[in-house]
Amino acid sequence: GQNIDQPTEMTATEGAIVQINCTYQTSGFNGLFWYQQHAGEAPTFLSYNVLDGLEEKGRFSSFLSRSKGYSYLLLKELQMKDSASYLCAVRGEGGSYIPTFGRGTSLIVHP
Amino acid sequence: DSGVTQTPKHLITATGQRVTLRCSPRSGDLSVYWYQQSLDQGLQFLIQYYNGEERAKGNILERFSAQQFPDLHSELNLSSLELGDSALYFCASSVEDKQPQHFGDGTRLSIL
Repeated sequence: GQNIDQPTEMTATEGAIVQINCTYQTSGFNGLFWYQQHAGEAPTFLSYNVLDGLEEKGRFSSFLSRSKGYSYLLLKELQMKDSASYLCAVRGEGGSYIPTFGRGTSLIVHP
Repeated sequence: DSGVTQTPKHLITATGQRVTLRCSPRSGDLSVYWYQQSLDQGLQFLIQYYNGEERAKGNILERFSAQQFPDLHSELNLSSLELGDSALYFCASSVEDKQPQHFGDGTRLSIL
């Protein structure tokens, strides 16, 4: 089975930097995804990590350490529109490539 | 806009009824996935189809079924509906299994 842990909720100030952590225990590992989901809307793909290290994409970066079963999503220069839920999803090994989603971290950005 | 289209956006029905949710994947995507999202459960994988064939099954109830048609659109059928089936149902698609999934806007199902 797969177990994914993320903080339930975080708050941050507009213009600041926030780091959202995700830890996982899986039967093997075959990639980790981050998605953004605004309330009542579709999850939107943000990043994909399969090798250790940092992937940077504009204001968002994602880091992976496979040996530690750990990832984080870093959001810089926070904007009010970044208030959303951030879902960590991990794909294990085996015949199926279906990722397991964490419960998500609700990020609230205030002025 | 992800390119994945789901209809209807909202559906209100009663217990015991049957509904059909429809999904059109992004152009070129062969895989379609169905997810259920409720407040207390998060995003739960139901079933995947790839080029018309069932590829993977998750926590899908026997009352639920799905299929993918030759034009690659997919339908999720929910029958003998119960109050607990009220949720957002998302469809996602990808080019192939290893690629990121792109989600539609979902169908909000309310059972009264």
